[in-house]
Amino acid sequence: DIQMTQSPSLLSASVGDRVTITCRASQVISNSLAWYQQSPGKAPKLLLYAASILESGVPSRFSASGSGTDYSFTISSLQPEDFATYYCQQYYITPWTFGQGTKVEIK
Amino acid sequence: QVQLVQSGAEVVKPGASVKVSCKASGYNFNDYYLYWVRQAPGQGLEWMGRITPNSGATNYNDKFQGRVTMTRDTSINTAYMELSRLRSDDTAVYYCAREGMVTLTYWGQGTLVTVSS
Repeated sequence: DIQMTQSPSLLSASVGDRVTITCRASQVISNSLAWYQQSPGKAPKLLLYAASILESGVPSRFSASGSGTDYSFTISSLQPEDFATYYCQQYYITPWTFGQGTKVEIK
Repeated sequence: QVQLVQSGAEVVKPGASVKVSCKASGYNFNDYYLYWVRQAPGQGLEWMGRITPNSGATNYNDKFQGRVTMTRDTSINTAYMELSRLRSDDTAVYYCAREGMVTLTYWGQGTLVTVSS
């Protein structure tokens, strides 16, 4: 199975901050990488796929990039509704696998 | 609009089985894989497998091989996930989900399965 290593596990930030999360795959996944946001008690929400393509309806303050095995996710200016947990996920090979998550909390 | 509506919470005893349903609407049920993902309390997301509604073909995560069975009833646009020989560490929220362009775009509301004696 492809292992997805996400960091940090916890990120403390303030409204307006720029935050970045990284995700490393244990093998090349050819940009088959998605990012999700999950709020407590809710299902995950797809934000970006194909490493950098914004899902329809997702605000442009969310962006992502990367290639090969190394990927990153950025929120350019953190909003109150962005405090949540974020996951990366590879869909290159089954079983699809997720990073362990990054909780973005209020500083 | 695409909707996935799951069955309600379950409490089951260790060693028993549970069957969770996922009713799809708003699209042609046969046109997209249907996936199952679970999340233990306070933990991350775990891909369990998928079913091709048209043919019934399945692709399971080896971790669950032998314990999980995914089926569907195309007459009522519903998919099922049955997990057997339940243990306490199977306590989790189980989600069904459907692809959009390439990965999991549409999600059910989740079904909490609690394994407890």
